[in-house]
Amino acid sequence: AQTVTQSQPEMSVQEAETVTLSCTYDTSENNYYLFWYKQPPSRQMILVIRQEAYKQQNATENRFSVNFQKAAKSFSLKISDSQLGDTAMYFCAFASGTYKYIFGTGTRLKVLA
Amino acid sequence: GAVVSQHPSWVICKSGTSVKIECRSLDFQATTMFWYRQFPKQSLMLMATSNEGSKATYEQGVEKDKFLINHASLTLSTLTVTSAHPEDSSFYICSARAVTAGGLGTSGYEQYFGPGTRLTVT
Repeated sequence: AQTVTQSQPEMSVQEAETVTLSCTYDTSENNYYLFWYKQPPSRQMILVIRQEAYKQQNATENRFSVNFQKAAKSFSLKISDSQLGDTAMYFCAFASGTYKYIFGTGTRLKVLA
Repeated sequence: GAVVSQHPSWVICKSGTSVKIECRSLDFQATTMFWYRQFPKQSLMLMATSNEGSKATYEQGVEKDKFLINHASLTLSTLTVTSAHPEDSSFYICSARAVTAGGLGTSGYEQYFGPGTRLTVT
């Protein structure tokens, strides 16, 4: 069975600094997708970035980028130039053939002014 | 694009009554919709997966007779909490997966989430 682990329950970062959130997963499948979602205080889940396992190139979306290490089963999220609006809960998610998500436990990120 | 709505956003009901929550994909057709439950400061727990025109598939430990799911069209799924009790109080979130991946520039694996419904049973 697939599992997703987020080992950092809480993190904080100064505004304009860079922060990296970690995520590791376990699977025996070769084709799958990985996602990072942001859940701000409004509790609306927002897709931040996705990574296809068959792509070696790391995904980037503006200030957000991932470091995808397939062999190590690691999928970390880097947020550059952190902004106050980045304060939220961040969830890592794994999806494969069933389309169901396996979520990690989340990392609560606080951006400090 | 890829907007999912939920109604109501907040509902209070008395113990023993039933409550229906609607989930709609507004600008795309959803092959599959998912229902989650989230407790404070915790991750999302998948309750069930519903495909249009088919019976929902429930996760282990979820009472299918208590949480009735109907997916009558490609844009609407409903969750009915029957004979609600205080322990059913929670935040319920739905998500939808698009029919065609290319239409939204997606892989077909992305889930688009509704804003959630806070249920309080008194």
